[in-house]
Amino acid sequence: KAGVTQTPRYLIKTRGQQVTLSCSPISGHRSVSWYQQTPGQGLQFLFEYFSETQRNKGNFPGRFSGRQFSNSRSEMNVSTLELGDSALYLCASSLLSRGEETQYFGPGTRLLVL
Amino acid sequence: GQNIDQPTEMTATEGAIVQINCTYQTSGFNGLFWYQQHAGEAPTFLSYNVLDGLEEKGRFSSFLSRSKGYSYLLLKELQMKDSASYLCAVRDPRSNYQLIWGAGTKLIIKP
Repeated sequence: KAGVTQTPRYLIKTRGQQVTLSCSPISGHRSVSWYQQTPGQGLQFLFEYFSETQRNKGNFPGRFSGRQFSNSRSEMNVSTLELGDSALYLCASSLLSRGEETQYFGPGTRLLVL
Repeated sequence: GQNIDQPTEMTATEGAIVQINCTYQTSGFNGLFWYQQHAGEAPTFLSYNVLDGLEEKGRFSSFLSRSKGYSYLLLKELQMKDSASYLCAVRDPRSNYQLIWGAGTKLIIKP
C-alpha cells in the first residue's frame, strides 16, 4: 500500500503570496490532519478533515484554510504569507479518528517564505 | 487546559538504557502515542497505550499510568540510529478526538 504523499516537497515563496499544499492519504483512509512544525516547536495542529468535513481546527489565523475532496485527498492553503509561516507542513492520515487508530505521516512540505 | 510535558533534550551512551518521560493534563483520555522523528523526516509510529501497564516491542517499551497522567518510553541497547526526537501525543475524546502533542524530546546518543 502506498504511503501518504505530499506535494510539493519544497517551496520558496515571498511575503504576501499565497500557497497551496496537497496531501494524498493512504488508500482507504478518510481522516486527514495537517500540522505545522518549526525548529524547537512540537507539532502545531492546524485542522482535521473527515469525509470532506472539517472536524477539528487549531488556533491558527484565518489565512490558513483547507479542504478535503471526495477521494479523501486534501489541500491546505495559506494566503498572504508571512515570514513566520516558514515551516515544515506535515499531513497525516488515518482510517478513522478514534482510539488506537494510528496517524501515518507524509514526508512533509518544507516552505520557505522570503 | 491541555498540556503535555516532556524533557527538551536528553543524552545517553550507545548500548545503554534511557527513559523518556511524558506527563499529560487533558480534558479527556483515549490513548497515548509515542512517535519517533529523525531530523528532517516525518514522525513514525512507535507505540500506543490505552490501559495501564507496560507494552514491550523489541528494544522499545512504553508504560502508562492513567491515574498519574504519566507515560514513559524506554529504549534499551541504544544504537546511534536512535538519535532522534521522540514525541508523545494524547488522544482527547472531549476535544473531538484530536491528538494533543508534546513538544518532543531530542535524544542524543554518544559513542
